[in-house]
Amino acid sequence: DAGVIQSPRHEVTEMGQEVTLRCKPISGHNSLFWYRQTMMRGLELLIYFNNNVPIDDSGMPEDRFSAKMPNASFSTLKIQPSEPRDSAVYFCASSLVGIEQYFGPGTRLTVT
Amino acid sequence: GIQVEQSPPDLILQEGANSTLRCNFSDSVNNLQWFHQNPWGQLINLFYIPSGTKQNGRLSATTVATERYSLLYISSSQTTDSGVYFCAVRGKLIFGQGTELSVKP
Repeated sequence: DAGVIQSPRHEVTEMGQEVTLRCKPISGHNSLFWYRQTMMRGLELLIYFNNNVPIDDSGMPEDRFSAKMPNASFSTLKIQPSEPRDSAVYFCASSLVGIEQYFGPGTRLTVT
Repeated sequence: GIQVEQSPPDLILQEGANSTLRCNFSDSVNNLQWFHQNPWGQLINLFYIPSGTKQNGRLSATTVATERYSLLYISSSQTTDSGVYFCAVRGKLIFGQGTELSVKP
């Protein structure tokens, strides 16, 4: 059974460019989460969805970040314009509501 | 907001040794998970343990929710146990800073 799928696994881009990260949750899961991991701040939640609806986006750092979940099997996290301080590993996770979360392999983003 | 503190921050073991990692949290929780982040960066689920005790092979975990802590036990450690161990609480997971474990052959 496939786990959470993320793409791309690595992304290198120049400051000012738009970046789109993609996530496919585990089939049947109805909650989806985006996290960011940095050395300075550790692992922190950016946004989560229940049944495709954004519930809490208080962790989104600023308006340059946006996330969508157009259907139960796909979500995107977009950064526009990107900045060097956005460099981090971005994880997507999914779960049944309130139960154990499973993480994807992450996307390592480098903004130069 | 809730605070999650893990100890020790770093741990070096000889292969075959046992260890206990601790996670303290500052408020009540109904969800607690332990993860292992391997050297390749993958976050691997170890336990979903909001309360009680669970065992999986050489690993076991205990959460005492009323006293706001959880423990992860690693017995007969192996070099493949190296990496960072995180506990995380609440539905929208709030992570501790992790315990970095290094197991030497």
